[in-house]
Amino acid sequence: EVQLVESGGGLVQPGGSLRLSCAASGFTFSDHYMDWVRQAPGKGLEWVGRARNKANSYTAEYAASVKGRFTISRDDSENSLSLQMNSLKTEDTAVYYCGREGYSRGWQLPFDYWGQGTLVTVSS
Amino acid sequence: SYVLTQPPSVSVAPGQTARITCGGNNIGSKSVHWYQQKPGQAPVLVVYDDSDRPSGIPERFSGSNSGNTATLTINRVEAGDEADYYCQVWDFSSHHPGVVFGGGTKLTVL
Repeated sequence: EVQLVESGGGLVQPGGSLRLSCAASGFTFSDHYMDWVRQAPGKGLEWVGRARNKANSYTAEYAASVKGRFTISRDDSENSLSLQMNSLKTEDTAVYYCGREGYSRGWQLPFDYWGQGTLVTVSS
Repeated sequence: SYVLTQPPSVSVAPGQTARITCGGNNIGSKSVHWYQQKPGQAPVLVVYDDSDRPSGIPERFSGSNSGNTATLTINRVEAGDEADYYCQVWDFSSHHPGVVFGGGTKLTVL
């Protein structure tokens, strides 16, 4: 059974840092691209970024709203995905989900599994 | 940047058909994925690649995509289908490529 479990959320002051983790199990983690998606309270889904797999050099891509402040990394030996968040702003307050890019007829992959999310609150 | 437009809300009586649209410039050239999200829960993939269903998703859920509009159709709507629904595409045409989600549609079962 595929499982994604996020951790590391909490309350942080504006300008502060926080590191989120996503523990994966039940599938070959190293095969898949992995993403972070967030959802502000009462709002819609917003893509944060992705980490490609080893075959694609573990490169990462980011949404414009977080580029330069957030860093996504992965450890295939630990089946884990991380999100390092620096220079946090109040507008970064959200539930952060990790998601697995699944399978498709083409290259525009859907998120076929999601974690339960972890809440990050940025407030003084 | 690429924009996906969904109606904020759709209401339907049990047993009827719900149609949720997702508008975008030439969206028919992209693969559209749909997610269902119930309160306090993570999203669940219900349709991918415009019209395919993941295993475990009822046949009542279907999708189509052409021109500037993609549509999620839910036949014989049940009370348990009440949720927020999001469409999603990948966009690599803009200066900041990546995933784009629609704003979400709240489906109310009357």
